[in-house]
Amino acid sequence: AQSVAQPEDQVKVAEGNPLTVKCTYSVSGNPYLFWYVQYPNRGLQFLLKYITGDNLVKGSYGFEAEFNKSQTSFHLKKPSALVSDSALYFCAVRDTAGGFKTIFGAGTRLFVKA
Amino acid sequence: GAVVSQHPSRVICKSGTSVKIECRSLDFQATTMFWYRQFPKQSLMLMATSNEGSKATYEQGVEKDKFLINHASLTLSTLTVTSAHPEDSSFYICSALNPDGHYGYTFGSGTRLTVV
Repeated sequence: AQSVAQPEDQVKVAEGNPLTVKCTYSVSGNPYLFWYVQYPNRGLQFLLKYITGDNLVKGSYGFEAEFNKSQTSFHLKKPSALVSDSALYFCAVRDTAGGFKTIFGAGTRLFVKA
Repeated sequence: GAVVSQHPSRVICKSGTSVKIECRSLDFQATTMFWYRQFPKQSLMLMATSNEGSKATYEQGVEKDKFLINHASLTLSTLTVTSAHPEDSSFYICSALNPDGHYGYTFGSGTRLTVV
């Protein structure tokens, strides 16, 4: 069965510092991996995805993520955090072995202090 | 880009009544849509997969008679919470598979349901 874990409930960084939000996954086939961001009382907004190819994926708003097959990780990163990046971030995985069902991690709340 | 419109954004209803939530793909056809439920400070729980022209596929533990899903057209899926109770209060989010073939999803803005 596929699963995704976000080990940190929250991450706190100062504005201008780099940020990392961690994600690990487990699938039986090749993974499709996604990061989404959610602002209060809103739906999810797509940030980036990994399907195949280059392990470093660049996405919206300056975010990037690195796919590491040996560590089964897909950590979200940004070189310089902004206060406006404060939100809830979800990692998601879809197992290519089975349909379109996507499983979401528990979410990590990012706090960026000015 | 692909846009999914979800309506209403907020609804308050009395116990025992039914509430319908609409999810529309505005500029693309969505043969598959998904309905999620999100509890406070928790992740999204997939409730069901909605397929145009056929019955929805419900996840284990989700009452299909309680949460009626209709996907009658390529641009509209509806979720009806029947005989709502306070424990049905939650944030409901729909999503559609992106038409670009890159396996991403576009999400609606969510519906905050409060049953009093």
